[in-house]
Amino acid sequence: AQTVTQSQPEMSVQEAETVTLSCTYDTSESDYYLFWYKQPPSRQMILVIRQEAYKQQNATENRFSVNFQKAAKSFSLKISDSQLGDAAMYFCAYRSAGRQGGSEKLVFGKGTKLTVNP
Amino acid sequence: DSGVTQTPKHLITATGQRVTLRCSPRSGDLSVYWYQQSLDQGLQFLIQYYNGEERAKGNILERFSAQQFPDLHSELNLSSLELGDSALYFCASSALTGGSPLHFGNGTRLTVT
Repeated sequence: AQTVTQSQPEMSVQEAETVTLSCTYDTSESDYYLFWYKQPPSRQMILVIRQEAYKQQNATENRFSVNFQKAAKSFSLKISDSQLGDAAMYFCAYRSAGRQGGSEKLVFGKGTKLTVNP
Repeated sequence: DSGVTQTPKHLITATGQRVTLRCSPRSGDLSVYWYQQSLDQGLQFLIQYYNGEERAKGNILERFSAQQFPDLHSELNLSSLELGDSALYFCASSALTGGSPLHFGNGTRLTVT
């Protein structure tokens, strides 16, 4: 079974600075997808960014980018120019491509709580 | 707005009772997932339905059951409720292909007293 590990329960960053959240995963599959979701105090689950495992290029969405290292099974999230609204719990998630009949459910890490200091 | 609708937003009930949580997926999405998030915990996968059929089961208790109807909405039934069932229950929907992200509803906050 796939597992996702987020080793940093909490992180903090100064407003306008850059922070990197770590995520590692374990899988025997070669085809899969990785996601970062944000959960602000409102408890909504908001998609931040998506990475396809077969693409070497790291995904980028505005101030959010990832460092995807497939061999190392590492998928970190970098937030540049941090804003107060970035304060939230961030979850890393794995999703099988499902080509071998498996479930396409998301497997989540336990999350990293990000605090942004003014 | 994710397009996934969950009702009710809040539910307070007593131990031993039964409740039903409802979810309407995004238009066009055939796959529905249920997750449980207890206080300060990550999201635990409960069950997945695809086009009316159960597709995958996670850590779902026998006291819990779910179904997906022909109009694709889904219901999660929780019975013989215990204090430990208090949690935020999320429904999510997606296209079946693995690359499609899950889109989450705003959740139902269940409090068992």
